[in-house]
Amino acid sequence: AQRVTQPEKLLSVFKGAPVELKCNYSYSGSPELFWYVQYSRQRLQLLLRHISRESIKGFTADLNKGETSFHLKKPFAQEEDSAMYYCALLNQAGTALIFGKGTTLSVSS
Amino acid sequence: DAMVIQNPRYQVTQFGKPVTLSCSQTLNHNVMYWYQQKSSQAPKLLFHYYDKDFNNEADTPDNFQSRRPNTSFCFLDIRSPGLGDAAMYLCATSRGGSAYEQYFGPGTRLTVT
Repeated sequence: AQRVTQPEKLLSVFKGAPVELKCNYSYSGSPELFWYVQYSRQRLQLLLRHISRESIKGFTADLNKGETSFHLKKPFAQEEDSAMYYCALLNQAGTALIFGKGTTLSVSS
Repeated sequence: DAMVIQNPRYQVTQFGKPVTLSCSQTLNHNVMYWYQQKSSQAPKLLFHYYDKDFNNEADTPDNFQSRRPNTSFCFLDIRSPGLGDAAMYLCATSRGGSAYEQYFGPGTRLTVT
């Protein structure tokens, strides 16, 4: 079965604190994983993809096949990082995304 | 310069009264998707069009239909809305072969009374 699990509904941190948004997946084969973000009153948009191994807005995510995880991390949270974050998995056919339920990140000063 | 437009943003319909939600795009993307998102839930794919080819998800109820008259427009028809169909409906587009990078519209919030 193809599934994405985001165990935390809400993560609250203070500005400057490290952030880790958890994502676990279930997939047969080599998964392609992504993080999408939705800022307040904005559209859902792609934040980063595991295959590019890039850092976007200070966020990184490493695919750990042993733990079937793709956690999103940032060493120092900023208030503008407050948003809803969705982990997503490309389906086996490569035709659609399977989303997790999302985690709301709240960064306060 | 809105790229994926959804109308209306808010729609109220009565139980059992057919309703149509619309989506248009200026990106000229091959693929258009419709998602249903209920409160605190993941966006759930209902179906998608790859060009004119319609692809229905196995668990999408028959009550939900879609039309894509041209590249730019796609419609979601709910034939007989039930209270359980109240949700946010998201339209998204992507280039063919790049399903991972989807461009979303702002969504239409559907209320069923």
